[in-house]
Amino acid sequence: DTAVSQTPKYLVTQMGNDKSIKCEQNLGHDTMYWYKQDSKKFLKIMFSYNNKELIINETVPNRFSPKSPDKAHLNLHINSLELGDSAVYFCASSQSSGAGETQYFGPGTRLLVL
Amino acid sequence: GNSVTQMEGPVTLSEEAFLTINCTYTATGYPSLFWYVQYPGEGLQLLLKATKADDKGSNKGFEATYRKETTSFHLEKGSVQVSDSAVYFCAAHLDSNYQLIWGAGTKLIIKP
Repeated sequence: DTAVSQTPKYLVTQMGNDKSIKCEQNLGHDTMYWYKQDSKKFLKIMFSYNNKELIINETVPNRFSPKSPDKAHLNLHINSLELGDSAVYFCASSQSSGAGETQYFGPGTRLLVL
Repeated sequence: GNSVTQMEGPVTLSEEAFLTINCTYTATGYPSLFWYVQYPGEGLQLLLKATKADDKGSNKGFEATYRKETTSFHLEKGSVQVSDSAVYFCAAHLDSNYQLIWGAGTKLIIKP
């Protein structure tokens, strides 16, 4: 059983399109995250939800909108895709948002915008 | 502000060599400290962690000790294997902050 799963694994699309990435965790965790990893492997937090409440909303374009329908799911919708959005997007979860908690990562969604 | 600095890569070693990857942090307070590893094509996974000063985290032959006096959490392994080739991330998490502060990652290449 996969603990944190993401779909799709690969996403190739044209500039200007709208796309969504889905994430689900079956660990019973309260907190979920979206990260963006660029080609140099630099990891940037984008959003985090704790019990469906947004607790981290970093400086990202408002074309990116997260949605958490329940504690086990955190989706990422991206409007008007741009070339610079090409990256690997990781979903993660943790038991809580406290320090010392381990984050569990999904396998990543590789987004390529043409 | 809070930050984590780790040594730049890539670090290239021969199999069975001794490994050190340096990590230092700047933070107000005493964060929990982590090492995560990312194998090619995969997501990150926890390698080890320490939540207070002088704690030693260990896993799979890797070790790191939380040194408050030098604000460091250096990763070490006595004898690396080709399978240890990956990107290693140091991270810090303060109680006062919801998010992990990540280092830039260090790519490790082990040659047979």
